Amino acid sequence: GEDVEQSLFLSVREGDSSVINCTYTDSSSTYLYWYKQEPGAGLQLLTYIFSNMDMKQDQRLTVLLNKKDKHLSLRIADTQTGDSAIYFCAESQLNSGNTPLVFGKGTRLSVIA
Amino acid sequence: EPEVTQTPSHQVTQMGQEVILRCVPISNHLYFYWYRQILGQKVEFLVSFYNNEISEKSEIFDDQFSVERPDGSNFTLKIRSTKLEDSAMYFCASPAPGGTEAFFGQGTRLTVV
Repeated sequence: GEDVEQSLFLSVREGDSSVINCTYTDSSSTYLYWYKQEPGAGLQLLTYIFSNMDMKQDQRLTVLLNKKDKHLSLRIADTQTGDSAIYFCAESQLNSGNTPLVFGKGTRLSVIA
Repeated sequence: EPEVTQTPSHQVTQMGQEVILRCVPISNHLYFYWYRQILGQKVEFLVSFYNNEISEKSEIFDDQFSVERPDGSNFTLKIRSTKLEDSAMYFCASPAPGGTEAFFGQGTRLTVV
């Protein structure tokens, strides 16, 4: 079945850039998502990218997609302490928004002041 | 941003008891999902619900689980006889019609003792 893999931990200094990586196995993935989960909170959709794109930028966030290698990354510029959270990569197969998401285990980002 | 509301935020129950987790999805959304996240593990799909019936379910969603939309607004997940391994965070989600963004609730933390 589909699988999504992420490294579990990342630690960066405040003001540096963070890069969180994700790989997935399903070549029919249509949409790829990044969600943020702060302690005790729900899943907040940060951004998503359609599989025919290779880059998407939204303020401090840049998503890069290498479809050939099935590799997705999330870059956070000028990382702040408020960015400390768990970041989940997820994929879905269809573009109608009605198929279940397949999630990775999440990357815990720690920002050191 | 549209909101999905879940209650309660935390529930403690004894093994063997029935629990009902509640969700108020976004009003014009058509698909509803339940996911769960066992502590330290991936967010896993449980079930999707469309047009008042189950659309898709995972192998986790066995006979102990059921979903309902009893009054046209609330969307409930019932676990008939809870087991210790049902302890997890349960998330309700609803994607926009024809859209790509799945909005998640804050989650209900279920602890079975």
